[in-house]
Amino acid sequence: KQEVTQIPAALSVPEGENLVLNCSFTDSAIYNLQWFRQDPGKGLTSLLLIQSSQREQTSGRLNASLDKSSGRSTLYIAASQPGDSATYLCAVSSRGSYIPTFGRGTSLIVHP
Amino acid sequence: EPEVTQTPSHQVTQMGQEVILRCVPISNHLYFYWYRQILGQKVEFLVSFYNNEISEKSEIFDDQFSVERPDGSNFTLKIRSTKLEDSAMYFCASLRGDTQYFGPGTRLTVL
Repeated sequence: KQEVTQIPAALSVPEGENLVLNCSFTDSAIYNLQWFRQDPGKGLTSLLLIQSSQREQTSGRLNASLDKSSGRSTLYIAASQPGDSATYLCAVSSRGSYIPTFGRGTSLIVHP
Repeated sequence: EPEVTQTPSHQVTQMGQEVILRCVPISNHLYFYWYRQILGQKVEFLVSFYNNEISEKSEIFDDQFSVERPDGSNFTLKIRSTKLEDSAMYFCASLRGDTQYFGPGTRLTVL
C-alpha cells in the first residue's frame, strides 16, 4: 500500500525566500505525482503534474522534481510571496490507477 | 475557464439522516471522483465513476454510500444514515488527461 509523507508539516518564512517542500513515497511503481495547493476551507488546485518518465516540471516560480528510484519529489518555490501562503499537498498515483494517495501536506505561511 | 461546482457549500444534518451531495463536473470530462477530508486529516479517495458505473472504490465506500449520474451534468454522492464520523469536507473532481480538477467542496456536519 502506497504511503506518502510530506516534510515539513509547517513552514513559516519571510517574503522573498526560496523554499523546498519535500514529499516521499514508499512504492516507486508510480504512474504520476501531482502537487496541489489548498487554501483554507477550499478545494484543491493542481499546480504541477509529473509523469513517472519525467524528472521535473516547471510553472512560473514553481519547479517540481521527481526521483522515482529514491521515492522522492521536491517542490521548489522561488522568491516566495504572501500569496503563496496555503497548504501544499503531494499526491501519488500508482501504476495502473488514476487514484492518488495524498500526503498530509505542508502548511506554508509567507509573511511580509 | 470551466470549473467543477458543488452544492451545497455547507450541509448540517442530524445523525441517522440521509444526505445528497451534488457536483457538476466539467462538461467534457469523463471520469469523476469523490474524496473526503476529515478535519486535520489527509484527503482520502472514496470512489471513481466512468461510463455510468463505479470504476474503483475504497474500503471507506461501503453500503452506506452510493453515487449516481442522474442526468448529463450532475454527479451525486448519497450518504445513508449519517454518522458523527461522516463529518468532513467532501470533494468532487473530474479528470482531463492525467490532471484532476477539484470542486470547492461541501462541508458536511453531522450532529
